[in-house]
Amino acid sequence: EAQVTQNPRYLITVTGKKLTVTCSQNMNHEYMSWYRQDPGLGLRQIYYSMNVEVTDKGDVPEGYKVSRKEKRNFPLILESPSPNQTSLYFCASSLFPSSSYNSPLHFGNGTRLTVT
Amino acid sequence: GQQLNQSPQSMFIQEGEDVSMNCTSSSIFNTWLWYKQDPGEGPVLLIALYKAGELTSNGRLTAQFGITRKDSFLNISASIPSDVGIYFCAGQGGGADGLTFGKGTHLIIQP
Repeated sequence: EAQVTQNPRYLITVTGKKLTVTCSQNMNHEYMSWYRQDPGLGLRQIYYSMNVEVTDKGDVPEGYKVSRKEKRNFPLILESPSPNQTSLYFCASSLFPSSSYNSPLHFGNGTRLTVT
Repeated sequence: GQQLNQSPQSMFIQEGEDVSMNCTSSSIFNTWLWYKQDPGEGPVLLIALYKAGELTSNGRLTAQFGITRKDSFLNISASIPSDVGIYFCAGQGGGADGLTFGKGTHLIIQP
């Protein structure tokens, strides 16, 4: 089954403790992206990647890192999490950067992160 | 960055009613998209629009790409309980640009 898999689904951590949220897609997609979803703010892009070893900042990159060493994986790294990073995170991928019916953006089921 | 104004923020309707929501932007987009998010899941693409003035249907859903390229609306006819969820509009400028999402419309259907 074609899917984007995020882990973990839920994570509670403390301020300053490094964490990684994994994302993997099995559709051989070139484009991958991370979003955070907050009440009243909708979905905001954190980082994206056009292909292996190519990553770029989205609208809210501060406090996050990503890497794209393999086509299928795009982990999100929080080196020193803070409470304002408490949010619902979504990884997404598409065949090409341009979104369309032939290249729809597929979302994972989300990771709910709480930083205390 | 670019911003989308999506309205209404929430809608409380009776089953069978028609629904209308819209998005406006201060910037021009080349692609408008509408997504639906069910509880506990990621958003799923409903309709994609590529040309100014385009009107596209997907079952009971109809969406239009505004002539000015700065707005889009989504209509749902004869709502049913499974229509409940959060609907997001999204705009994309160039091919390499990421999507800019609206803040969502919560659709709640009252029995």
